Amino acid sequence: AQKITQTQPGMFVQEKEAVTLDCTYDTSDQSYGLFWYKQPSSGEMIFLIYQGSYDEQNATEGRYSLNFQKARKSANLVISASQLGDSAMYFCARPAGGGNKLTFGTGTQLKVEL
Amino acid sequence: GAVVSQHPSWVICKSGTSVKIECRSLDFQATTMFWYRQFPKQSLMLMATSNEGSKATYEQGVEKDKFLINHASLTLSTLTVTSAHPEDSSFYICSARVPPVVYGYTFGSGTRLTVV
Repeated sequence: AQKITQTQPGMFVQEKEAVTLDCTYDTSDQSYGLFWYKQPSSGEMIFLIYQGSYDEQNATEGRYSLNFQKARKSANLVISASQLGDSAMYFCARPAGGGNKLTFGTGTQLKVEL
Repeated sequence: GAVVSQHPSWVICKSGTSVKIECRSLDFQATTMFWYRQFPKQSLMLMATSNEGSKATYEQGVEKDKFLINHASLTLSTLTVTSAHPEDSSFYICSARVPPVVYGYTFGSGTRLTVV
């Protein structure tokens, strides 16, 4: 089974600074892209950004950008100009297997400080 | 668009009773629904995949008789936790593929189950 690792269980960043959240996967199947989700304390899963495996350019969505390095099997999320409201749990996720079920990474708890 | 409505948001039940959690796709047909379980400060772990009109596919280690999943229509999937025990207390969340986006997923708002 695919394993997705987020090596930073917790991160702190100062407001208005940029932060990079790491994500690596172990499968050699390069068919699938990668998602990033934000989960605030309320529990809802908020879609942030997606990049397909064959997309040439790194994806960007507002303050979020994805640094996808297929050779390294990594897809790091960069949040620019951090805001207090960015404090949440962040998960990367990748489809795999029958039905394209999503496998989630271990998660990173981000805290934005004044 | 592509909203999945999940109910209840939270539930407290007594040990030994059963609890049903519903996920409804409001503006699309969800042929496949994924059910996840999440313990505090941990990741989402896939429990099972349900397809409309067929039996659910459970992940290894998930008790089929304890976590009954029904996907009787294209807009409704349910998870029933039978004979609940305190160790079943967790956050349960459903997710559906969103057509026509090939790799789109939408999530319910989740259910916090507490068994006392």
